[in-house]
Amino acid sequence: NAGVTQTPKFRVLKTGQSMTLLCAQDMNHEYMYWYRQDPGMGLRLIHYSVGEGTTAKGEVPDGYNVSRLKKQNFLLGLESAAPSQTSVYFCASTPVGQWYEQYFGPGTRLTVT
Amino acid sequence: DQQVKQNSPSLSVQEGRISILNCDYTNSMFDYFLWYKKYPAEGPTFLISISSIKDKNEDGRFTVFLNKSAKHLSLHIVPSQPGDSAVYFCAASEAEYGGNQFYFGTGTSLTVIP
Repeated sequence: NAGVTQTPKFRVLKTGQSMTLLCAQDMNHEYMYWYRQDPGMGLRLIHYSVGEGTTAKGEVPDGYNVSRLKKQNFLLGLESAAPSQTSVYFCASTPVGQWYEQYFGPGTRLTVT
Repeated sequence: DQQVKQNSPSLSVQEGRISILNCDYTNSMFDYFLWYKKYPAEGPTFLISISSIKDKNEDGRFTVFLNKSAKHLSLHIVPSQPGDSAVYFCAASEAEYGGNQFYFGTGTSLTVIP
């Protein structure tokens, strides 16, 4: 049981480049989330999904898109990366019954130069 | 505007003593509160939660207290152990049914000195 995994672990992008971060969970959780963590800011919700095929905006959605085509995967896309998107990105998932107990992945450290 | 605030960026405590981490919130619609613990280079892990209908929840060495009138919650760790050294985040949510937004504080770095 791998839990929540994130790919890649590290990435350096140039301004304007695009990339997709992959989050996968093998716990059959309904809900999935993408957060970013910046110094002095805590974790801020980017987008979330309450089920396969559904997504919703969080606190800081601008510049990101997401897709949840399969229940176990939640993809975060950056179409045109900006230096302001330099951050550590965390994915999380929760089961319906214990919706408050988020299981987090190890994070992806992204640097945009 | 930060809806969940942790005003102490760091805290040092001697092993065996009590650690008290504080959290304040501004949104009176929050009705579920959580604490997460994070080690370096790892994702946060869930620690303990409390619903707004309670004022205290205990799990082993960890107790969370909620003061709704003051919009304040605190996490007590007794006794503190060196393995408790980590960053602690409090979080809050408006709805107790899931799939809703969680708002996190900025974290408090706890160091337990052996």
